[in-house]
Amino acid sequence: KAGVTQTPRYLIKTRGQQVTLSCSPISGHRSVSWYQQTPGQGLQFLFEYFSETQRNKGNFPGRFSGRQFSNSRSEMNVSTLELGDSALYLCASSLDRDVRTEAFFGQGTRLTVV
Amino acid sequence: AQSVTQPDIHITVSEGASLELRCNYSYGATPYLFWYVQSPGQGLQLLLKYFSGDTLVQGIKGFEAEFKRSQSSFNLRKPSVHWSDAAEYFCAVVNGGSQGNLIFGKGTKLSVKP
Repeated sequence: KAGVTQTPRYLIKTRGQQVTLSCSPISGHRSVSWYQQTPGQGLQFLFEYFSETQRNKGNFPGRFSGRQFSNSRSEMNVSTLELGDSALYLCASSLDRDVRTEAFFGQGTRLTVV
Repeated sequence: AQSVTQPDIHITVSEGASLELRCNYSYGATPYLFWYVQSPGQGLQLLLKYFSGDTLVQGIKGFEAEFKRSQSSFNLRKPSVHWSDAAEYFCAVVNGGSQGNLIFGKGTKLSVKP
């Protein structure tokens, strides 16, 4: 069974640009969550999607957005990139929204903003 | 608001020695608690979880953790550390009910001396 796939693995962007990251969950999983990981702030929750609807959102500015498609694949978008957006972005998928169902993490997308 | 504290940023142990990583949480009700491990360049892998019942939980790779409500702690232990255990370890608690997002501690980096 394939794991959670995040593409691309590495990305370098310039300040002011926008970026789209992709996450393909494990087959059959309907919930996808996104986390940002930085050395200073650690792991912080961005948002969660289930059945194509955003169910939960973290404390991030509106420049961070996402969506989920009917096949449960998810994308997140960051507009007007800032240097502080440099981070590892992790996606997690699970069968449903109950946290007692194990969440599986992808390897992440390393975004560098220069 | 819920929070997780991992007091040790970096721990070094000798191979074969025992290990205990500390985790303290802040949450009013019975928490849902997790320990994850992250190897360099990888995503997060679930080691073990606690929802209710027996306060000593067994996980993968020989790890165990004990939930102590009186101390608001969920410390991770391993009797004999292997060089392959070198990684970063994250304690997490669910934000709110069973459909909340994960709140992570800042992590403890484990180094293993030969």
